[in-house]
Amino acid sequence: SQQGEEDPQALSIQEGENATMNCSYKTSINNLQWYRQNSGRGLVHLILIRSNEREKHSGRLRVTLDTSKKSSSLLITASRAADTASYFCATPIQGAQKLVFGQGTRLTINP
Amino acid sequence: DTEVTQTPKHLVMGMTNKKSLKCEQHMGHRAMYWYKQKAKKPPELMFVYSYEKLSINESVPSRFSPECPNSSLLNLHLHALQPEDSALYLCASSHHGLAMNEQYFGPGTRLTVT
Repeated sequence: SQQGEEDPQALSIQEGENATMNCSYKTSINNLQWYRQNSGRGLVHLILIRSNEREKHSGRLRVTLDTSKKSSSLLITASRAADTASYFCATPIQGAQKLVFGQGTRLTINP
Repeated sequence: DTEVTQTPKHLVMGMTNKKSLKCEQHMGHRAMYWYKQKAKKPPELMFVYSYEKLSINESVPSRFSPECPNSSLLNLHLHALQPEDSALYLCASSHHGLAMNEQYFGPGTRLTVT
């Protein structure tokens, strides 16, 4: 079964606007990770938030984690055309060497 | 060097062919991974190598055969594939063998089985 589910599945916004995508997961986690994938290419690690953290920033990225609700959100501020990509949350399965990805959000930034 | 390289970038093979995908990293990572990704889907884990030993096989058909010759190299040998095996194959690496660490991905090999 899927560990992470994301919404929305697709998001289209104007350049300069903020983009928010959400991720829900099912089991206890040590951390939650966000990755970006440009069309047909490899994934790039964006940010890792540990289970004892509630919020983390990296440049224009802001990630929150609510372990009581088993959910996380990724906010991209002041979006740019280059942010057009698919974004995946991923959670490690405890006790295993396995990273499970959510279904992803396809983000389109319109100029 | 924070790069994972994969060759070839594209591969077209018939169902009777034998081919290999290659992956290389020089970051000193001791865990390496193979993922399969279909269009508009998330990556699906296939295999995990930790310290050059196979630690996870996600019930992958035997027509896919992984190999880790040393700590920097990871191969995926392909034989008698089916058209439904057409996908993007991604290699990744991470520190040690813990999925808790971030993973570094290669650009992938786009495989088409005819």
